[in-house]
Amino acid sequence: NAGVTQTPKFQVLKTGQSMTLQCAQDMNHEYMSWYRQDPGMGLRLIHYSVGAGITDQGEVPNGYNVSRSTTEDFPLRLLSAAPSQTSVYFCASGRQAFSTDTQYFGPGTRLTVL
Amino acid sequence: GDSVTQMEGPVTLSEEAFLTINCTYTATGYPSLFWYVQYPGEGLQLLLKATKADDKGSNKGFEATYRKETTSFHLEKGSVQVSDSAVYFCALSEAGTSGSRLTFGEGTQLTVNP
Repeated sequence: NAGVTQTPKFQVLKTGQSMTLQCAQDMNHEYMSWYRQDPGMGLRLIHYSVGAGITDQGEVPNGYNVSRSTTEDFPLRLLSAAPSQTSVYFCASGRQAFSTDTQYFGPGTRLTVL
Repeated sequence: GDSVTQMEGPVTLSEEAFLTINCTYTATGYPSLFWYVQYPGEGLQLLLKATKADDKGSNKGFEATYRKETTSFHLEKGSVQVSDSAVYFCALSEAGTSGSRLTFGEGTQLTVNP
């Protein structure tokens, strides 16, 4: 199993550009989520999904959209990039949406917005 | 809301020293508690977890005990190695409508010198 994969690994955008961060998992996990990691702030939840066709907002959803058309994929879209979205983005998946479940993280995408 | 507080870093130790990283939490219910580790350039991976009070999680020589009376989940290792150099995150997950949403502490950078 490849686990959780993310592309690209690095990306530089100009303010106002749009892009999609890709996330895929091959573990047949129902639960998937996106976090951003900023220095001194740990990781903060952006959006999450408890199954195909179901998404919801996390702690910091503004400026981001998601969709979940398949169990495997959970892309994150930046509609109009801003410098405040410069961060490292992690996708995670878990077997089910239970609080006791382990979540598995991808290697991350480092995004810089100029 | 839920929150996690970790001891401030960075922490620098010599090989074979004893490690403690403090973690305390605030939660409204009965959370599950986790320690995740992030090695340089990689995503987060689960180190250990505990899902109810008085449980002890352990892995790779690391231990943490879920103390409900002190709302703590301190990470310990008796003898650290250079390969333990990484960022350590304490996190909690509480059952609710957002599934297995993780709330993270700020992270503690550990450097172990030979």
